[in-house]
Amino acid sequence: EAGVAQSPRYKIIEKRQSVAFWCNPISGHATLYWYQQILGQGPKLLIQFQNNGVVDDSQLPKDRFSAERLKGVDSTLKIQPAKLEDSAVYLCASSPRVGEAFFGQGTRLTVV
Amino acid sequence: DAKTTQPNSMESNEEEPVHLPCNHSTISGTDYIHWYRQLPSQGPEYVIHGLTSNVNNRMASLAIAEDRKSSTLILHRATLRDAAVYYCILLGGGSNYKLTFGKGTLLTVNP
Repeated sequence: EAGVAQSPRYKIIEKRQSVAFWCNPISGHATLYWYQQILGQGPKLLIQFQNNGVVDDSQLPKDRFSAERLKGVDSTLKIQPAKLEDSAVYLCASSPRVGEAFFGQGTRLTVV
Repeated sequence: DAKTTQPNSMESNEEEPVHLPCNHSTISGTDYIHWYRQLPSQGPEYVIHGLTSNVNNRMASLAIAEDRKSSTLILHRATLRDAAVYYCILLGGGSNYKLTFGKGTLLTVNP
């Protein structure tokens, strides 16, 4: 079975620029998550979708971050404008049932 | 949200058993105990989960205390590929069904 696909793998941008990350979950998985992982810390949940509806976005900095999941499949996460502290790995995961999530390899973002 | 406490780091020798502890004294009756691990430069991967009874799968065993206030992930024979950060996560009504990661335990496996 194909895993969760994320692109790009790496991205370097200057502060105040915008960036977008793409995620293709495992087919049939209704739940999709975006996490931010800063070096040395555990992943932090940014947003959780159930099909194309948002279940939880309480930790998403909505002044600069946005996410959408069109047609309940692929998802994009956007940052505009980026700050230095946004440097992190952005992980996408999908889940067929509560608790069993499958993660992609992540996108490593460096903001300079 | 119910919280978990894990040691920051542990060391093991290759081919020896490893017992990774997790305390969760405020666990609610509907919370499942999940374990994930994150290999270097990879996303986390699911390891095992349980509610009350001990659980076994091809990767590991999960021993849950009778009062459910603690649990132990057991790797029966550690290999170098088991070197990773291991996360103990409570998931259920007490955690609002959010998959929330703490800092985890960094397991080092010595050859």
